[in-house]
Amino acid sequence: GAGVSQTPSNKVTEKGKYVELRCDPISGHTALYWYRQSLGQGPEFLIYFQGTGAADDSGLPNDRFFAVRPEGSVSTLKIQRTERGDSAVYLCASSHGTHNNEQFFGPGTRLTVL
Amino acid sequence: DAKTTQPPSMDCAEGRAANLPCNHSTISGNEYVYWYRQIHSQGPQYIIHGLKNNETNEMASLIITEDRKSSTLILPHATLRDTAVYYCIVRDSNDYKLSFGAGTTVTVRA
Repeated sequence: GAGVSQTPSNKVTEKGKYVELRCDPISGHTALYWYRQSLGQGPEFLIYFQGTGAADDSGLPNDRFFAVRPEGSVSTLKIQRTERGDSAVYLCASSHGTHNNEQFFGPGTRLTVL
Repeated sequence: DAKTTQPPSMDCAEGRAANLPCNHSTISGNEYVYWYRQIHSQGPQYIIHGLKNNETNEMASLIITEDRKSSTLILPHATLRDTAVYYCIVRDSNDYKLSFGAGTTVTVRA
C-alpha cells in the first residue's frame, strides 16, 4: 500500500520568501506529526495533529511556522519569511492512533534557504 | 533532552549479528524502549519496541535488562542494507511524540 508521501522532495528558496511543504499521510491514519532534522542530528518534534486540530504545537520554533490539516488528512507546513537557519529536512509521519503506535515516516522535504 | 545514551558509531561484518547497546538509566515504569533506524536519505523506520520483556520480530530482537536501565538491539544476520543510523528512544505510554537523540551510525562491511 501507499506510504506517507511528501512534496516537494527538494525546495530551494531565498531568504525572506514563503514556502509550503505538503504531507499526504497513510489513508485512515488519524494522527499526523511534523519533525525537523538538521544535518547530523536526529529529528526534532514540531507539531502533532489528531484529526483536524493541532493537539500540540509546542515544537514549532517561532511564529513564522504554522501548519494546517483542514480535512484531517493532508497537512501543509507553512514557513513565512524564511531564514538560512530554517534549512533542514522536514519529515512528516502518521500513525493509526497515538499512544504506543508505530509512526510511519515519509521521505522528507529538504529545504534549502539561500 | 534525549533520555538515552548510545555509542556514536559501530562497524559490523556482513552476515554476523550486530549488537547495538543503549543506556536509559533514568527510565520510569511506564516508559517503553523504542528502536527506529534511518537509512541515508530516507525517513526513520520503526524496528521494535518493548516495556520489560524481551521482544522479537522479523527485523530484530530487543533485550531489556531486568532493571530496565539498558537494552540491546540485535540484528541477527546483518546485511549491507542494514547500514543506517539506529535510534534508541524512551517514550512514555501516554506520550505521542518521539524524542530522537543522535543515534548510532552502524556500518555493515562486506
